[in-house]
Amino acid sequence: ETGVTQTPRHLVMGMTNKKSLKCEQHLGHNAMYWYKQSAKKPLELMFVYNFKEQTENNSVPSRFSPECPNSSHLFLHLHTLQPEDSALYLCASRHELAGITGELFFGEGSRLTVL
Amino acid sequence: AQKITQTQPGMFVQEKEAVTLDCTYDTSDQSYGLFWYKQPSSGEMIFLIYQGSYDEQNATEGRYSLNFQKARKSANLVISASQLGDSAMYFCAMREGRVTGGGNKLTFGTGTQLKVEL
Repeated sequence: ETGVTQTPRHLVMGMTNKKSLKCEQHLGHNAMYWYKQSAKKPLELMFVYNFKEQTENNSVPSRFSPECPNSSHLFLHLHTLQPEDSALYLCASRHELAGITGELFFGEGSRLTVL
Repeated sequence: AQKITQTQPGMFVQEKEAVTLDCTYDTSDQSYGLFWYKQPSSGEMIFLIYQGSYDEQNATEGRYSLNFQKARKSANLVISASQLGDSAMYFCAMREGRVTGGGNKLTFGTGTQLKVEL
């Protein structure tokens, strides 16, 4: 079991649905991230939260709405998505003040398919 | 211009052989970090190895080593004695700037699919 847990692992939704992706980290980290991974493209950073405050929004469409109620939980609320939003959504975390490398710890991702 | 370039979409290697996965990067920062991650079919990104821009020696972690050539802006991953379980996607990534501070985002390349054969 990884220190970063994402649910659901797979999600199929229509363009008019509203759903949410959940991420929980058990590592005591205080920075959390959402990345989008599409086929044959580099991972795209979407959002960054430090100590529950959003510090980065990488020009993400408003149909994606993040929420970070505390340092351990991160949500991505989805509504009126497009088929091109189908991708693997990866959550990651990091301890802002620890470590010399600053590596991110990732979950296994939520595979989203928009019909 | 892309910040991280991985020119090998796919690679094959025989079991027990060594393989090099290429990565070049582009940054004007003096302080930066380079990472390699492995992504098996399960989806999780697994951290493998890190090289800081001021590190004079190449990083090593078990069977993984990072061939860091700063002047060429390359950070190739070398996997020695390949195993079947090494079959996965491998991503090179870069952090620009110092470790501490807000964000600390990583920029990733497109990845290399490695297949280890018997």
